[in-house]
Amino acid sequence: GESVGLHLPTLSVQEGDNSIINCAYSNSASDYFIWYKQESGKGPQFIIDIRSNMDKRQGQRVTVLLNKTVKHLSLQIAATQPGDSAVYFCAERTSGAGSYQLTFGKGTKLSVIP
Amino acid sequence: DTEVTQTPKHLVMGMTNKKSLKCEQHMGHRAMYWYKQKAKKPPELMFVYSYEKLSINESVPSRFSPECPNSSLLNLHLHALQPEDSALYLCASSQESRTGAGYTFGSGTRLTVV
Repeated sequence: GESVGLHLPTLSVQEGDNSIINCAYSNSASDYFIWYKQESGKGPQFIIDIRSNMDKRQGQRVTVLLNKTVKHLSLQIAATQPGDSAVYFCAERTSGAGSYQLTFGKGTKLSVIP
Repeated sequence: DTEVTQTPKHLVMGMTNKKSLKCEQHMGHRAMYWYKQKAKKPPELMFVYSYEKLSINESVPSRFSPECPNSSLLNLHLHALQPEDSALYLCASSQESRTGAGYTFGSGTRLTVV
């Protein structure tokens, strides 16, 4: 199930099940939305991105859905494995001051139960 | 080479010390970034360099001083830090392409201010 702790929402799933991680974004002018995976002691690792004019994009075992009407982004992980345990961040890219910048959402901790 | 390399991996410094964090990439990316990440929080943007020029400074205190000596290197000079500055400092680079997000993050420097 999903729970919201003091700082980081946590999602616990059984190995082999599908996981869905959700994110709300704020800036309608963002041109790209990106999902990152961060393991303990490491930097964020790119998973998949989606351009703002798309509503779905699939990768290997992952799918990102974008709903611009409600400013919602989701990451679906098929057949979740123990190695998927990590914190997942969504990020939105906006342009300004002559360059792009990436703004991260709050993050969700995914725990996979073997 | 598809990596962003950060040194040192860990740093402990006193409040009167001067130290520098280093970041290096050889992917030909023309934009480089410093992010600060506290425990259980998302990375927060500090600085953006685009074509070796500082383009974004997110109101960061002057005790943090960035430097971009060339297109492959990014430094963060630290002076008179406070204990609340203890965090994971992440460097990233990107193509700044209009066709993709393409950010790559380093593993970070874990900074402890005593």
